[in-house]
Amino acid sequence: SQTIHQWPATLVQPVGSPLSLECTVEGTSNPNLYWYRQAAGRGLQLLFYSVGIGQISSEVPQNLSASRPQDRQFILSSKKLLLSDSGFYLCAWNTGEINTGELFFGEGSRLTVL
Amino acid sequence: GQNIDQPTEMTATEGAIVQINCTYQTSGFNGLFWYQQHAGEAPTFLSYNVLDGLEEKGRFSSFLSRSKGYSYLLLKELQMKDSASYLCAVLDSNYQLIWGAGTKLIIKP
Repeated sequence: SQTIHQWPATLVQPVGSPLSLECTVEGTSNPNLYWYRQAAGRGLQLLFYSVGIGQISSEVPQNLSASRPQDRQFILSSKKLLLSDSGFYLCAWNTGEINTGELFFGEGSRLTVL
Repeated sequence: GQNIDQPTEMTATEGAIVQINCTYQTSGFNGLFWYQQHAGEAPTFLSYNVLDGLEEKGRFSSFLSRSKGYSYLLLKELQMKDSASYLCAVLDSNYQLIWGAGTKLIIKP
């Protein structure tokens, strides 16, 4: 069966510090991978998606970046965090050449920037 | 712009029935989804509607009217474990999911 894991689950970082969130998927090949952010009272915001190794699409210009160094690994990074980067970050996957809308999410990473 | 509207919060009683509404205005339509999200956890898929009508899955049902840009999620025989946020999302013409802010459902004994 397929599983998805992301870490760390919780982190508190000072403004200006770097960030690295990691996500891995097991039990499937060539998944579509997504990074979402969920802010309180707002809908899920798609940050990045990837359909293959080294292929990253950015949906929202900001100080975050994403990389996919391996087929089932997706990393969200920042060189310098802003207060506005606080939120609940979710990694998700699905398969298929087009997005069917059914996503499988990781456990989530809650980031607090102070 | 694209917009998904759903109530912020609803309260219902254990054992009762509750209907959570969702209206949408999107660039195209390739399906509507309902996800359940318990506090502090990730969303999980509940239902999918692409044609008009009612889809039933156990205690949960989801209805769609494409002409009205409207859907609802119906939860029957409510249990305390149903306390969660329910997210409505629409797959637009670019096959991107547009998400509502979610409806927090509070179940009281």
